[in-house]
Amino acid sequence: GQNIDQPTEMTATEGAIVQINCTYQTSGFNGLFWYQQHAGEAPTFLSYNVLDGLEEKGRFSSFLSRSKGYSYLLLKELQMKDSASYLCAVRDSNYQLIWGAGTKLIIKP
Amino acid sequence: GAVVSQHPSWVICKSGTSVKIECRSLDFQATTMFWYRQFPKQSLMLMATSNEGSKATYEQGVEKDKFLINHASLTLSTLTVTSAHPEDSSFYICSARDLEGLRQYFGPGTRLTVT
Repeated sequence: GQNIDQPTEMTATEGAIVQINCTYQTSGFNGLFWYQQHAGEAPTFLSYNVLDGLEEKGRFSSFLSRSKGYSYLLLKELQMKDSASYLCAVRDSNYQLIWGAGTKLIIKP
Repeated sequence: GAVVSQHPSWVICKSGTSVKIECRSLDFQATTMFWYRQFPKQSLMLMATSNEGSKATYEQGVEKDKFLINHASLTLSTLTVTSAHPEDSSFYICSARDLEGLRQYFGPGTRLTVT
């Protein structure tokens, strides 16, 4: 079966760095997405990785290793507004998005 | 960036009535749109995939006669919840995939409450 694993919840301190991991087992691979979702709102797109390596976009970076079925989202200089759920999703061979359950990130002052 | 809108953003209806939710891609064409449902504190659950001009593909466990999907144009898909019940109360989110198939953009969601 297809499976996306990510931690349920993480806590970090304002100004610090946090890494949210995602491992996946899917039928085929056509890219990995990270989305941010604040409570009561729809997800917003953060990053897309299809090749191995690190993609940096401001305070957020995303890394992919296809051979290991592994990705992480790195958030630097954490701000209180970064408190949200972070969803990892993989697009499989049928171009369907397979979703992880999301990681709730709690930022403390 | 690409924008997807949903209407209404929230709706309250009585049990037994039907509710229609619209999903529009505002500045791009989308041959494929997706409808998701999200219960509180849970991840997105794909309900169905709709392709313009053809019948929607429903995920296992989703009743196609209850959740009617129409994808009439490259910019509009509608989800109609028929004979709604309180257990249908949820956050319904649509997303649209661009023609190149590279990106999937989400609408803001519609919160449905059935009383």
